[in-house]
Amino acid sequence: GNSVTQMEGPVTLSEEAFLTINCTYTATGYPSLFWYVQYPGEGLQLLLKATKADDKGSNKGFEATYRKETTSFHLEKGSVQVSDSAVYFCALSVKYGGSQGNLIFGKGTKLSVKP
Amino acid sequence: NAGVTQTPKFRVLKTGQSMTLLCAQDMNHEYMYWYRQDPGMGLRLIHYSVGEGTTAKGEVPDGYNVSRLKKQNFLLGLESAAPSQTSVYFCASRHRDRGADTQYFGPGTRLTVL
Repeated sequence: GNSVTQMEGPVTLSEEAFLTINCTYTATGYPSLFWYVQYPGEGLQLLLKATKADDKGSNKGFEATYRKETTSFHLEKGSVQVSDSAVYFCALSVKYGGSQGNLIFGKGTKLSVKP
Repeated sequence: NAGVTQTPKFRVLKTGQSMTLLCAQDMNHEYMYWYRQDPGMGLRLIHYSVGEGTTAKGEVPDGYNVSRLKKQNFLLGLESAAPSQTSVYFCASRHRDRGADTQYFGPGTRLTVL
C-alpha cells in the first residue's frame, strides 16, 4: 500500500539554524509528493510539491527534492526563523487511471524555533 | 470569498450523544473531504465526496456518516459519540480537474467527547 514516514518530533532549533525534516514513502506507481505546513490554530497549507523524480519543490526558503532511488522527499531550509514554528506534514498522492487519488499524510513533525 | 468554513469551532459532547459538523465551501468545488487529526497520527481521511449526492469511505469511516445534499455543503455526523472520537476535524475541498494538492482546508473543529 501507499504510506509516508517522517521523522518524529518535536524538533527545536535556534533562529538561523539549518533545518532538515526527513520523509520517506512507499507507493504503488509514481506518486506526487508534497509538504504541508500547519501554523498554530489553523488548517493545512500547501508549502511545496514535486510531481516527478528529481524535481525540486521550493517555497519561502524551503526546498525538497524528489529522490526516487531512495524514495525520499526531505524538507530543508538553510536558516529558520521564529515564524517557521509550525507542524510540517509530508504527503503523497498517486494517480489512478486519469484521476489523482487522495492525499496520504505522514504523522507530522512539530518544529519550534527559539529566538 | 470565505473559502472553506466549518461549524462549530469547538464542541464538547457526552458519550452517546449525537451531533453534526457542517462544512461549507463557496468555490464551486466538486470534491470535498473530512479528515481527523490526532496527536502523532497525522491526518486520516474519514469520508469524501466527488460530487453532489455521492460519498465514499476513507481510511477511518467507522462511527461516522456523511451527506452531500448540496454541492457546497458536506456534513459529518456522529450518531453515538465515543471518547475515541475526540479529535480535531478538518474539512477540505478541491476542483475536480485539479490535483490532490490543491485542496483548500477549513480551520478545523475541535471535538471533545467525555
